Amino acid sequence: QKEVEQNSGPLSVPEGAIASLNCTYSDRGSQSFFWYRQYSGKSPELIMSIYSNGDKEDGRFTAQLNKASQYVSLLIRDSQPSDSATYLCAVNRGRDDKIIFGKGTRLHILP
Amino acid sequence: GAVVSQHPSRVICKSGTSVKIECRSLDFQATTMFWYRQFPKQSLMLMATSNEGSKATYEQGVEKDKFLINHASLTLSTLTVTSAHPEDSSFYICSARGGQGTDGYTFGSGTRLTVV
Repeated sequence: QKEVEQNSGPLSVPEGAIASLNCTYSDRGSQSFFWYRQYSGKSPELIMSIYSNGDKEDGRFTAQLNKASQYVSLLIRDSQPSDSATYLCAVNRGRDDKIIFGKGTRLHILP
Repeated sequence: GAVVSQHPSRVICKSGTSVKIECRSLDFQATTMFWYRQFPKQSLMLMATSNEGSKATYEQGVEKDKFLINHASLTLSTLTVTSAHPEDSSFYICSARGGQGTDGYTFGSGTRLTVV
């Protein structure tokens, strides 16, 4: 089983709609969870971090964490064409706290 | 916010030569830096952890003699790809945990290595 799994997409969402990105992880010792956005040819940039069960909102972004289900998600409201990118889910590895990434989900916002 | 500077951004080298990539934390001290590699349309794969003043730790399957890491100061880590081959062509990215008050990990801008 892969440590961090994401649907590779592409996920196509109309402009103005809600984009929902999902991620599951295998390490029950993981305590830190991150969502990064990566444009083609660029390095990742942090969008959200979440450490506790529940929702965390920041502007148009909401991260959701369910440790019992080993599931973390990212919602993007009022999607904009500039949101088109690859979204990487990242999780700390319980045994050494290093950050492991999923393969990413390609999001395409349709104008 | 925390800034990590990575150089060069692009490099083309001949097969068999060595290439050095630098990663600097500009406004904070980073006792630990991480080196990742990303192939096209693939995720970031952790290669090794660079520890200031001590040996780097490598992930399983990563050749430590091929990917030399030096972390001589609290703000600088270098990755040297030795005897590069075309299969080493990839996007190499460093990261560090940001300074006090910074959430998450900050990434350098990445180095696109092409071995011809």
